[in-house]
Amino acid sequence: DSGVTQTPKHLITATGQRVTLRCSPRSGDLSVYWYQQSLDQGLQFLIQYYNGEERAKGNILERFSAQQFPDLHSELNLSSLELGDSALYFCASSEGLGTGYGYTFGSGTRLTVV
Amino acid sequence: GQNIDQPTEMTATEGAIVQINCTYQTSGFNGLFWYQQHAGEAPTFLSYNVLDGLEEKGRFSSFLSRSKGYSYLLLKELQMKDSASYLCAVRDSGGYQKVTFGTGTKLQVIP
Repeated sequence: DSGVTQTPKHLITATGQRVTLRCSPRSGDLSVYWYQQSLDQGLQFLIQYYNGEERAKGNILERFSAQQFPDLHSELNLSSLELGDSALYFCASSEGLGTGYGYTFGSGTRLTVV
Repeated sequence: GQNIDQPTEMTATEGAIVQINCTYQTSGFNGLFWYQQHAGEAPTFLSYNVLDGLEEKGRFSSFLSRSKGYSYLLLKELQMKDSASYLCAVRDSGGYQKVTFGTGTKLQVIP
């Protein structure tokens, strides 16, 4: 157990629907990051939060949004889902910015859009 | 922006040594990470380099040359369980300290 909790582990939904992925960072970590990993592709950075504030955006679609709450957990909302959104979605956390300890990743949410 | 290149796949024999290379181009550099990812699982942190030179951690070592935009991960005494993807990731020096991952090198260890 890495200390980063993601729910649900698996999600199957239909095109056009909306889903919410949840992430609880490791205790003491203020930064949360969301990544998308499609089959046989690298980790694509979506968005970063630090202590409740959005800090950086990657290639996140307008149909996707996220937020970090006062208790530091984060949610990633995916709407108007398309088949191509099927992927592993990882959340990671770190204690701050610029540390040398890397990110701690959660076990991911596997989203299948049918 | 950042551009990270790694070989797509490598094969090595159990008990041997393998070196996985990573080259990067970045407008600002503030550290390089290596992660291991088994299929369908979360990446796990292996090593971090911010200064030139070699960092050793048991069977794994990582090297960095900032002037050449080059790093390698060295795995010694390969075991079957080392079969995984190895991801090189670069952190930029901007205010957001964003980390960009390469597409990874899939290592297969054979008997």
